[in-house]
Amino acid sequence: NAGVTQTPKFQVLKTGQSMTLQCAQDMNHEYMSWYRQDPGMGLRLIHYSVGAGITDQGEVPNGYNVSRSTTEDFPLRLLSAAPSQTSVYFCASSYSENTEQFFGPGTRLTVL
Amino acid sequence: GENVEQHPSTLSVQEGDSAVIKCTYSDSASNYFPWYKQELGKRPQLIIDIRSNVGEKKDQRIAVTLNKTAKHFSLHITETQPEDSAVYFCAALKGSNYQLIWGAGTKLIIKP
Repeated sequence: NAGVTQTPKFQVLKTGQSMTLQCAQDMNHEYMSWYRQDPGMGLRLIHYSVGAGITDQGEVPNGYNVSRSTTEDFPLRLLSAAPSQTSVYFCASSYSENTEQFFGPGTRLTVL
Repeated sequence: GENVEQHPSTLSVQEGDSAVIKCTYSDSASNYFPWYKQELGKRPQLIIDIRSNVGEKKDQRIAVTLNKTAKHFSLHITETQPEDSAVYFCAALKGSNYQLIWGAGTKLIIKP
């Protein structure tokens, strides 16, 4: 049981490049979410999903896209990277919106 | 929109003493309030949560209290130990959708 996995662990991009952060869970959780964590700040919700085929925007969705074609996978796409997107990105999953969220190990992204 | 304020931003206590972290929220329809602990370089992990039909919940040295009228909730850690040193985050689930809104975090330092 791997829990929540994220790849890559580290990534450096140039401004304007695009990339996809991968997230997968093997707990059959319906609820998945993407957060970004900046120094000295809490977690800010980017996008979330309450089940396969259903996604919605969080607090800070601009510049990011998501899709949920399966229960297990929830990739986050950066469309055109900007230095303001330099952050640590966490994926999380839970049985429902009001139960424990299990976090992946995070992806540290730097945009030059 | 929903806002969660967390105080203090840093808390330094002597080993063995108690620590209290407070959060206030703005959405009166919020009904789920988790607390997460994040050690340096690690992912956040749930330590305790409370739902709005309960005023207090305890788990060994950790307790959470909720005052729905005043819209605030607090984390209490008794008999603090060195391994309690971490950043603690509170969060509140918005009543209108499935979004968890997070406080900015409290860095807890346990002095030997």
